[in-house]
Amino acid sequence: KAGVTQTPRYLIKTRGQQVTLSCSPISGHRSVSWYQQTPGQGLQFLFEYFSETQRNKGNFPGRFSGRQFSNSRSEMNVSTLELGDSALYLCASSSPSGRASYEQYFGPGTRLTVT
Amino acid sequence: AQSVTQLDSQVPVFEEAPVELRCNYSSSVSVYLFWYVQYPNQGLQLLLKYLSGSTLVESINGFEAEFNKSQTSFHLRKPSVHISDTAEYFCAVSGTVGGGSNYKLTFGKGTLLTVNP
Repeated sequence: KAGVTQTPRYLIKTRGQQVTLSCSPISGHRSVSWYQQTPGQGLQFLFEYFSETQRNKGNFPGRFSGRQFSNSRSEMNVSTLELGDSALYLCASSSPSGRASYEQYFGPGTRLTVT
Repeated sequence: AQSVTQLDSQVPVFEEAPVELRCNYSSSVSVYLFWYVQYPNQGLQLLLKYLSGSTLVESINGFEAEFNKSQTSFHLRKPSVHISDTAEYFCAVSGTVGGGSNYKLTFGKGTLLTVNP
């Protein structure tokens, strides 16, 4: 089975711009979660989608948004970029049922640099 | 609210020595516990997990962790490390809240394991 894929792997943007990151989950997985990783704050949860609905949300400003499509692929968008948004953005997917739904499998991440 | 404390930010060891990476969690709910490993410029790889059953869980590359409910700990151990084990290790928790499910992973700050020859 192919793993979680994320595109692009690297991005450089300017303050004030917006960016869209994409994530394709493992085949059969219906839950997709997004995390931000920075040296200062570590790994922080952004949001989780299941069957095209946001099921859980972290403590991030409204500039961070996401969506999920019917094929379970997900996108996250950050508008009005700030320097502090520079981070590794990780996507994870999990199986839809039972205790296995708590296991999350991560993609390689998208490294976003805001200048 | 859930929280995870990894007591050591860095652990340097020599090759073939034993190692223990410590993890304590705080949670008022039923917990599921995980260890992830991150190599430079890569994502997180699931190393091992505790969901139910035996409190001692093992990975295919020689790591093991023991869920200790009374001490709220999930320490990671390996009896003999290799150079290739050099990486950052993250402990994480998720679980249920009053019958509801919380699929969000809460991570510790990570422990950088450096294995020296």
